[in-house]
Amino acid sequence: DQQVKQNSPSLSVQEGRISILNCDYTNSMFDYFLWYKKYPAEGPTFLISISSIKDKNEDGRFTVFLNKSAKHLSLHIVPSQPGDSAVYFCAASVGGTSYGKLTFGQGTILTVHP
Amino acid sequence: EAQVTQNPRYLITVTGKKLTVTCSQNMNHEYMSWYRQDPGLGLRQIYYSMNVEVTDKGDVPEGYKVSRKEKRNFPLILESPSPNQTSLYFCASRDKRFAHEQYFGPGTRLTVT
Repeated sequence: DQQVKQNSPSLSVQEGRISILNCDYTNSMFDYFLWYKKYPAEGPTFLISISSIKDKNEDGRFTVFLNKSAKHLSLHIVPSQPGDSAVYFCAASVGGTSYGKLTFGQGTILTVHP
Repeated sequence: EAQVTQNPRYLITVTGKKLTVTCSQNMNHEYMSWYRQDPGLGLRQIYYSMNVEVTDKGDVPEGYKVSRKEKRNFPLILESPSPNQTSLYFCASRDKRFAHEQYFGPGTRLTVT
């Protein structure tokens, strides 16, 4: 039972345009959400997070939106750059920032073309 | 340099031969985790530990064991590896105060024949 789903295996975007990566979840107990980026042959690195008490969080070119009623979150990258090409994972937890258990989605491969 | 190290980075073994993948962090982090990455399934948590001698199951613990005898080390043990445990494994650690700063190791590519 996949509690966190990223239904788009891949996304291709032109440099300078917006990239929108989507993530859906089924467990209504999830209250903290994170996005990670992963390059080949490296471990994932943290990108941005959001608590369920918010509906938006921004960090530079990256913005995460949370729609609790739809159990949906999205990551917006504006403007997209070739260096953003990577696999993006969303993740969710119960227990806020004190989480131990973390559930990831399947990942979306983002390719940004120059 | 703050880091999470894993050994070995690559391992090919045979079914049933016990193996241990070591994980060590030098950041004095309380929380440590093991994940496996498989095509189409993303990252799945195997076990996590919130402090020394405190471990709990993640989403896919079957066939794995862990121990946390020291704060810096969190080895993953496969008592009797099977081909379905062929995967890319990541260890991670974080300070309990900082929810987003989870540091991942470089990964261990395991093949069980």
